[in-house]
Amino acid sequence: KQEVTQIPAALSVPEGENLVLNCSFTDSAIYNLQWFRQDPGKGLTSLLLIQSSQREQTSGRLNASLDKSSGRSTLYIAASQPGDSATYLCAVRLANAGNMLTFGGGTRLMVKP
Amino acid sequence: DTGVSQNPRHKITKRGQNVTFRCDPISEHNRLYWYRQTLGQGPEFLTYFQNEAQLEKSRLLSDRFSAERPKGSFSTLEIQRTEQGDSAMYLCASSFGVRTAGQGALRGGELFFGEGSRLTVL
Repeated sequence: KQEVTQIPAALSVPEGENLVLNCSFTDSAIYNLQWFRQDPGKGLTSLLLIQSSQREQTSGRLNASLDKSSGRSTLYIAASQPGDSATYLCAVRLANAGNMLTFGGGTRLMVKP
Repeated sequence: DTGVSQNPRHKITKRGQNVTFRCDPISEHNRLYWYRQTLGQGPEFLTYFQNEAQLEKSRLLSDRFSAERPKGSFSTLEIQRTEQGDSAMYLCASSFGVRTAGQGALRGGELFFGEGSRLTVL
């Protein structure tokens, strides 16, 4: 059974810092990995999707990397802003095992002005 | 707005009542998913449709839960005889099906989620 872990569970940083969120998964036979943002009481917003054949994806100040062999992904946020405050979730889809995503518990990020 | 739409956004009900949630996916998407999220946790998979066919169901989907997608467009999730443990955010997502070269099997792409329907069972 795929298990996804996100560390840290919560993070508070001053505005302007660069930061890294970590995601690890136990089964490396993945199809893709997706990072989401969730604001309180809201749905999930897709940030980045990395296919299993890719090593990283970038969108604006966000960069996500994938290392399948070690079962890890990182989400790098450059020059953090108060508007980045949210919960960040990673989710993994296994290869040849259906279409469900397995989510981590999320990292709650607060960026202080 | 052509995103995933869910309603109602909030539902408060008494234990034992039935509730139904509706999801309208992005119109071009043939895949539709239901997830459940409790406070402080990541979403958990409930079920998945490709067009009108329900292809996967989680063990979390007890016999009190039923989901339909009758015409391959919108979907409904009904919970019968609600219990306090059913209190959660119910999230719907949709995606394209993408044929992976060499496999012949349709695989899903990027998932897009709705704003969710929050259920409170008193």
